[in-house]
Amino acid sequence: DAEITQSPRHKITETGRQVTLACHQTWNHNNMFWYRQDLGHGLRLIHYSYGVQDTNKGEVSDGYSVSRSNTEDLPLTLESAASSQTSVYFCASSDGGNSYEQYFGPGTRLTVT
Amino acid sequence: DAKTTQPNSMESNEEEPVHLPCNHSTISGTDYIHWYRQLPSQGPEYVIHGLTSNVNNRMASLAIAEDRKSSTLILHRATLRDAAVYYCILRDVAGGSARQLTFGSGTQLTVLP
Repeated sequence: DAEITQSPRHKITETGRQVTLACHQTWNHNNMFWYRQDLGHGLRLIHYSYGVQDTNKGEVSDGYSVSRSNTEDLPLTLESAASSQTSVYFCASSDGGNSYEQYFGPGTRLTVT
Repeated sequence: DAKTTQPNSMESNEEEPVHLPCNHSTISGTDYIHWYRQLPSQGPEYVIHGLTSNVNNRMASLAIAEDRKSSTLILHRATLRDAAVYYCILRDVAGGSARQLTFGSGTQLTVLP
């Protein structure tokens, strides 16, 4: 079955380190998204991509970057981790065009100490 | 983007119907109404969506007011597994961000046995 996976599921890192969170989907979806969710709040969009070599900034993109070299993967990099980036990160994908449904991964819980 | 207003929390008894309200008084003609839910420790999942007419699927029903300024997600028979945060989201299919979702704080539904 097609799916979307994230790794690692849990990560503890130190302030100032570079961290990369992986997202892999097997639906062959064009659209991929990264969100963060802070405790007790809704999801906020970090970056998104509508296809290979396409990347765009979302609502809270400062301190994060993404690259899209193939259809299946959209890794999220924290260039210099900060304690304010402690959060749960969700990756999602959807089909091209105006597809109404996004499929979400299980999330990565990141703690920056 | 048009915004939505939902109650922070609601309770329901198991096996009874649940009506989750959402106000969106500034909705535009090209805004679709989407509902997602997030079970504990999981990513959000799509529930239902609609434009003007009421919609039914295997998970729930969506009742949309005639003036489209409010909508109600109906779970016909709540189970303990329906305990989740329910998000009401407007998506403008005519805008440049048609493929994006903007999450609010949602409604925390508690189902009592």
